[in-house]
Amino acid sequence: QVQLVESGGGVVQPGQSLRLSCAASGFSFSNYGMHWVRQAPDKGLEWVAVISYDGSIKYYGDSMEGRLTISRDNSKNTLNLQMNSLRAEDTAVYYCAKDQASGLYRGLFDYWGQGSLVVVSS
Amino acid sequence: DIQMTQSPTSLSASVGDRVTISCRASQNINTYLNWYQQKPGKAPKLLIYGASSLQTGVPSRFRGSGSGTDFTLTITSLQPDDFATYYCQENYRRPLTFGPGTIVDI
Repeated sequence: QVQLVESGGGVVQPGQSLRLSCAASGFSFSNYGMHWVRQAPDKGLEWVAVISYDGSIKYYGDSMEGRLTISRDNSKNTLNLQMNSLRAEDTAVYYCAKDQASGLYRGLFDYWGQGSLVVVSS
Repeated sequence: DIQMTQSPTSLSASVGDRVTISCRASQNINTYLNWYQQKPGKAPKLLIYGASSLQTGVPSRFRGSGSGTDFTLTITSLQPDDFATYYCQENYRRPLTFGPGTIVDI
């Protein structure tokens, strides 16, 4: 069965960096686009970034663009999110999510990880 | 960006009730509309994609309809497991956007 397991969350100070990872299993990771979606405490869902199946195409949401790098290692079935210059408003649970469509991506999420909490606080 | 709105913000219902949640897009998104269910402390779960297609494994009491700018999620007979927050999401254009959510409680 499909499993997505995030890691790397924690408490950081404003301005610091953090790298999240997502270990994927149970499907052909290299065939699917992958996303990050976040959810601030008691708030709604916000799409953060997508990377195509081969890593050649990357897009970012508006709120964190310029401070993020999404990447993947298909040899290790791993998705990453490098977050820089973190702000208090970036405090959220960060989910990795699998795109439903193989190939490029379709922009909907059929499997999600359990989430990784990032707290930005001084 | 495409703005998504949902109504109502929350609703109270009983087991066996028919429940309808609305979602509206700020522009025409054809049928690029998806619905998710989220329970407290858990990741969202895909219910409906392409406005009306049922995701594999999702009970048939969940129905989606609509096109263009107006969409509806209907739960035909509410079950105890259905008390949750429901989000719509468009995948017509980047940035992908979600509605603010509708809480369905007892």
